[in-house]
Amino acid sequence: DAGVTQSPTHLIKTRGQQVTLRCSPKSGHDTVSWYQQALGQGPQFIFQYYEEEERQRGNFPDRFSGHQFPNYSSELNVNALLLGDSALYLCASSPGYMNTEAFFGQGTRLTVV
Amino acid sequence: SQQGEEDPQALSIQEGENATMNCSYKTSINNLQWYRQNSGRGLVHLILIRSNEREKHSGRLRVTLDTSKKSSSLLITASRAADTASYFCRANRDDKIIFGKGTRLHILP
Repeated sequence: DAGVTQSPTHLIKTRGQQVTLRCSPKSGHDTVSWYQQALGQGPQFIFQYYEEEERQRGNFPDRFSGHQFPNYSSELNVNALLLGDSALYLCASSPGYMNTEAFFGQGTRLTVV
Repeated sequence: SQQGEEDPQALSIQEGENATMNCSYKTSINNLQWYRQNSGRGLVHLILIRSNEREKHSGRLRVTLDTSKKSSSLLITASRAADTASYFCRANRDDKIIFGKGTRLHILP
C-alpha cells in the first residue's frame, strides 16, 4: 500500500499563474481533504471531497478550487497565484465522511515568485 | 484565523522526562485528534478522542479532553529523541476541521 501520494513534491510558479496539485488517496479511502500550511504555522483546512462533491470548505477564496475523480483521486487548483499562496499543500485521505483518522501525504511545496 | 491554540508554542525537555502540551478550541466538536509532524512534511495521526470520552491512552501517549473548557492535553511519557517534532491538535465537527498552531517539541540528549 503506497499510502497517500502527492505530486509534484516541489513547484515554483510566477505570480498570476495557475497551478494544479494532485493527490492519490490511500487504498480503500474515499474522502480527500486539502490543507495549506504556511511556514511555522498549523495546517489550514481548504476543503474536503466525498463522492466527487465538495462537502466542507474552509475560509479560502474561490481562487482555490478542486475536483475528485471516480477513482477518489483529487486535484487542487489555484488561480491567479499570489505571493502569499507560497506554502506546503497537504492532502489527506480517510475512510468515509466522518472526520475520523486522516492519513497525510508528504505535501507539495509551492513557491510563488 | 480558523486555527485553534496550542501551548506552549515550543518545549525543550531532557530525554526521559514527560512532555505535556495543551490545545484549546472554540466550538463544539465531534472528536479531537492529535498529529505529529517531522521537518515540515506529512502529518502522522497519533490518537483520536471522541467528545463523549474524557481520557484515552495509546502506548506512551495519554490524551485528555474537557469539553466544558474546550481544551485537550497530550502527555508523552518517558520521552525519546525520536519524539522531537511538531505536534498539532485537530478539532472536528460535521462542518469544520480546525488545526491548532502546534507545539514544537525538542528532546535534549
